[in-house]
Amino acid sequence: EVQLVESGGGLVQPGGSLRLSCAASGFTFSSSSMNWVRQAPGKGLEWVSYISSSSVTIYFADSVKGRFTISRDNAKNSLWLHMKSLRDEDTAVYFCARDGGYSGYDYGSFDYWGPGTPVTVSS
Amino acid sequence: EIVLTQSPGTLSLSPGEGATLSCRASQSVSSRRLAWYQQKPGQAPRLLIYAASSRATGIPDRFSGSGSGTDFTLTISRLEPEDFAVYYCQQYGSSPWTFGQGTKVDIK
Repeated sequence: EVQLVESGGGLVQPGGSLRLSCAASGFTFSSSSMNWVRQAPGKGLEWVSYISSSSVTIYFADSVKGRFTISRDNAKNSLWLHMKSLRDEDTAVYFCARDGGYSGYDYGSFDYWGPGTPVTVSS
Repeated sequence: EIVLTQSPGTLSLSPGEGATLSCRASQSVSSRRLAWYQQKPGQAPRLLIYAASSRATGIPDRFSGSGSGTDFTLTISRLEPEDFAVYYCQQYGSSPWTFGQGTKVDIK
């Protein structure tokens, strides 16, 4: 069974830093591209970042470019999102999501999601 | 950036009725690279449809997608109690990947 479990969320002051983790199991993590997607309270979904299976290709949304980095360790089946210079508008639940290409769907769709970890940026 | 506009914002229907949800893009979505997701309160989204009209594994055939270019539709033929949720469209034809603002289907 595919499982994605995020952790590391919490309360942080504006300008602070946080590292989110996503532990993957139930599939060949090293063969899958991965993403982070966030959802502000009561709002819709926003794609944040993408990393290819070998970490060669990385993308960010303009709203986080230069402040967030994404990384993975295929030996540990783990994905991370390093967030710095956090702003109030970064407050959201952060989901890790598997790229649908792994399942034979289109690359760019998201076929499995974790339950999310909440991040609150507030003084 | 491609902006996706979903309508209506809320759809109030009864179980057994059909639902038609619209997703309009600000520019053409390349190669019909559009997905639909269902999200229930407190849960992660679930992939329903990819490539505009292909159902993901395990998705009931009462869910169907159609459209191309800038206009896409998700149709639920007969609403079951578990279908009352928020639905999002997402385009992945051009970076950055973007989502619509969602359509809530609630019980009338």
